[in-house]
Amino acid sequence: DQQVKQNSPSLSVQEGRISILNCDYTNSMFDYFLWYKKYPAEGPTFLISISSIKDKNEDGRFTVFLNKSAKHLSLHIVPSQPGDSAVYFCAASGKSNYQLIWGAGTKLIIKP
Amino acid sequence: GAGVSQSPSNKVTEKGKDVELRCDPISGHTALYWYRQRLGQGLEFLIYFQGNSAPDKSGLPSDRFSAERTGESVSTLTIQRTQQEDSAVYLCASSPAYTSETQYFGPGTRLLVL
Repeated sequence: DQQVKQNSPSLSVQEGRISILNCDYTNSMFDYFLWYKKYPAEGPTFLISISSIKDKNEDGRFTVFLNKSAKHLSLHIVPSQPGDSAVYFCAASGKSNYQLIWGAGTKLIIKP
Repeated sequence: GAGVSQSPSNKVTEKGKDVELRCDPISGHTALYWYRQRLGQGLEFLIYFQGNSAPDKSGLPSDRFSAERTGESVSTLTIQRTQQEDSAVYLCASSPAYTSETQYFGPGTRLLVL
């Protein structure tokens, strides 16, 4: 029972272009969503988050969009840079606040 | 230390043996989490410690798994009678409070059960 799904295992994007990573969820009780970035042999690092009361949050090159009716969120990276090559995880939390439910991750490859 | 540290970084063991994994959280962080990541999958919550409160053990997959934490310091995750399906990366994270956003992860321990 996957409550958070990232259907694309990998994504390849040209440097300078926009990267769009997608995430779908099934539990309407989720009220907070996060994106983490993970390099090989390192733990995930927090990237950006969004509360369910918003539909957009922007931080520099990174923007997260939330569509509650579709239970879908996306991470946009503009412009994409070689250092953005990593695995990106989508995670969601409910009322307990501390228990995160994670997607399987999308490996982003930025081509020079 | 600046971040969360875990040891060992890699562990190879034989089926049936016990293993102990260690996590040193960031000093001052009251919350500590253990996760498991199997190959090609997302992180799976195992256990959560918050200060001196009773831990949330709801994610532990079986009674072969246990974890301890002394106060707000080091935590150990113990897996008894390891099975091949226990092979995974075990990640530890800490945070200043219960807010999920500020979880800081260690590099993980890669466990391989032969």
